[in-house]
Amino acid sequence: DTGVSQDPRHKITKRGQNVTFRCDPISEHNRLYWYRQTLGQGPEFLTYFQNEAQLEKSRLLSDRFSAERPKGSFSTLEIQRTEQGDSAMYLCASSLGQGGYMGETQYFGPGTRLLVL
Amino acid sequence: DQQVKQNSPSLSVQEGRISILNCDYTNSMFDYFLWYKKYPAEGPTFLISISSIKDKNEDGRFTVFLNKSAKHLSLHIVPSQPGDSAVYFCAASSGNSGNTPLVFGKGTRLSVIA
Repeated sequence: DTGVSQDPRHKITKRGQNVTFRCDPISEHNRLYWYRQTLGQGPEFLTYFQNEAQLEKSRLLSDRFSAERPKGSFSTLEIQRTEQGDSAMYLCASSLGQGGYMGETQYFGPGTRLLVL
Repeated sequence: DQQVKQNSPSLSVQEGRISILNCDYTNSMFDYFLWYKKYPAEGPTFLISISSIKDKNEDGRFTVFLNKSAKHLSLHIVPSQPGDSAVYFCAASSGNSGNTPLVFGKGTRLSVIA
């Protein structure tokens, strides 16, 4: 196992188009997270899953954003009707959630860089 | 409002000396803290973490100190090496582990000069 993978690594799209990103977590990890990072900022939480259940969504996640993890393995993040303000690095992370187990952490993928023209 | 603050955007240190990166937080519910390192065009890499029941955690050249009363933590790197040059992010969570959504600071860019 080589860690969290994301596809594509880069995406350029025109305003108004839809885009979809994929994340494959570390195989035994049951929690999967999406974050967004813009220039000069730290990663900002978007949403996360435990297995296939979506546990929480940030207020940053507008109605144009949707995330799924249908079989509790890989996840997709879709942005509909993209806007220039959606340009950012989209990061995926995974962890082995054991309900309050102290010491576990999130491992990040390389990210998908989105540019909306 | 920023719940996790890294007030120094950048830091330069000579190779072999100590690097000290600082982080402040405002949310009293945070009970678990992590440091990540990020190179350009890569995702953040986990470095070290600390629970609020401790005031120090050490892993090789990296030590994290937590002062709960001051809501302050710091990362010490000794000795600093050129390969440590990267952006360092402080992150916090309220689930007593890293298994809940993390709140990140804006990062500090560390440059280690040979």
